[in-house]
Amino acid sequence: GAVVSQHPSRVICKSGTSVKIECRSLDFQATTMFWYRQFPKKSLMLMATSNEGSKATYEQGVEKDKFLINHASLTLSTLTVTSAHPEDSSFYICSARDFRGDSTEAFFGQGTRLTVV
Amino acid sequence: GQNIDQPTEMTATEGAIVQINCTYQTSGFNGLFWYQQHAGEAPTFLSYNVLDGLEEKGRFSSFLSRSKGYSYLLLKELQMKDSASYLCAVMDSNYQLIWGAGTKLIIKP
Repeated sequence: GAVVSQHPSRVICKSGTSVKIECRSLDFQATTMFWYRQFPKKSLMLMATSNEGSKATYEQGVEKDKFLINHASLTLSTLTVTSAHPEDSSFYICSARDFRGDSTEAFFGQGTRLTVV
Repeated sequence: GQNIDQPTEMTATEGAIVQINCTYQTSGFNGLFWYQQHAGEAPTFLSYNVLDGLEEKGRFSSFLSRSKGYSYLLLKELQMKDSASYLCAVMDSNYQLIWGAGTKLIIKP
């Protein structure tokens, strides 16, 4: 199956700093990328949907100024957690899809464990 | 509203068979997915159903009934490594994935 690479896998940062998470589709062009957040023992919570070259669509309750998403190319999307606080500590997962083809499968990155201290 | 229901936790014995059910109510339907997720890892794709019936893939099978808004994932010959959470997700009319909360499957020797 297609490969989506997410980096870093783990990051620890100080409160007030910003953290950038990268999501790359390695062998296909991702027209759409999704960013999820997952709390312990909970399902995935969609944060935002980003289409290449356009602004991301954020889900209700997600602060767009805090979680900056950039989808500048068909193979790269980034999520920047700005001025991180301990409550932002979570598991962040990206997912990529190519809507132009017949595939409906969403391919996931490995996830990023963010700990804000 | 949109809703996906699946049991929170199930326990089964190594070598046995287990069925994990999923019921859904969504605005439109463009397919149902099952994913496996081990603790601390991202989900991995197991199956996709868009038409009614049973799809078999090795030890795993997935069934769909669109009229009943119902699916199940069947795991045969259970192995200890099958201990994980199993997530049911439905793609709605906007091609967005609506996720269930996941079923934690515990396999006992």
